[in-house]
Amino acid sequence: DSGVTQTPKHLITATGQRVTLRCSPRSGDLSVYWYQQSLDQGLQFLIQYYNGEERAKGNILERFSAQQFPDLHSELNLSSLELGDSALYFCASSVEATNEKLFFGSGTQLSVL
Amino acid sequence: DAKTTQPPSMDCAEGRAANLPCNHSTISGNEYVYWYRQIHSQGPQYIIHGLKNNETNEMASLIITEDRKSSTLILPHATLRDTAVYYCIVYTNYGGSQGNLIFGKGTKLSVKP
Repeated sequence: DSGVTQTPKHLITATGQRVTLRCSPRSGDLSVYWYQQSLDQGLQFLIQYYNGEERAKGNILERFSAQQFPDLHSELNLSSLELGDSALYFCASSVEATNEKLFFGSGTQLSVL
Repeated sequence: DAKTTQPPSMDCAEGRAANLPCNHSTISGNEYVYWYRQIHSQGPQYIIHGLKNNETNEMASLIITEDRKSSTLILPHATLRDTAVYYCIVYTNYGGSQGNLIFGKGTKLSVKP
């Protein structure tokens, strides 16, 4: 158990819909990262937050957004969903802003039908 | 793009040492070598990292060549539970770099009875 909690574990929705994925980092970790893993693209970095502020951005679509709340949990919002958004979404956390050892959650499997 | 090259797959007999190679010929002086693994659809798990000296922890050993252009992750006594995709990553946070861990395709290690 990495100490990072992601909910829900599975999510099935339809194209055009909007969903929210939630992540609670390990106790004491200030930095949260979101990754997307699909069969054809592998693990792709989406975005990082540190202590409530956006720190780094990767290959995140404009239809996607994220935030980190004062209690340090984070949410990833995916809107206008397309079939190609079906993937495993992982959240990770680390103590510092500069990522070295990341602790990953068990992921949310999103299926867009 | 990932800065590392790994074989796509390897087999290892249970109880034997698993030696996973990684080429990183363009590594720069302040970049570390990180290893993570991902057991089927679980979140990636940190294994070990190093700069230029060999490193050992309770999970594995990391051997980095003197010119730092390649490295080998060694699992001394592989078990069936070590079957996973192993990712070799080069990364630095030198100078406050905003770089993030870039996962390539990794090596699929299959430990066989």
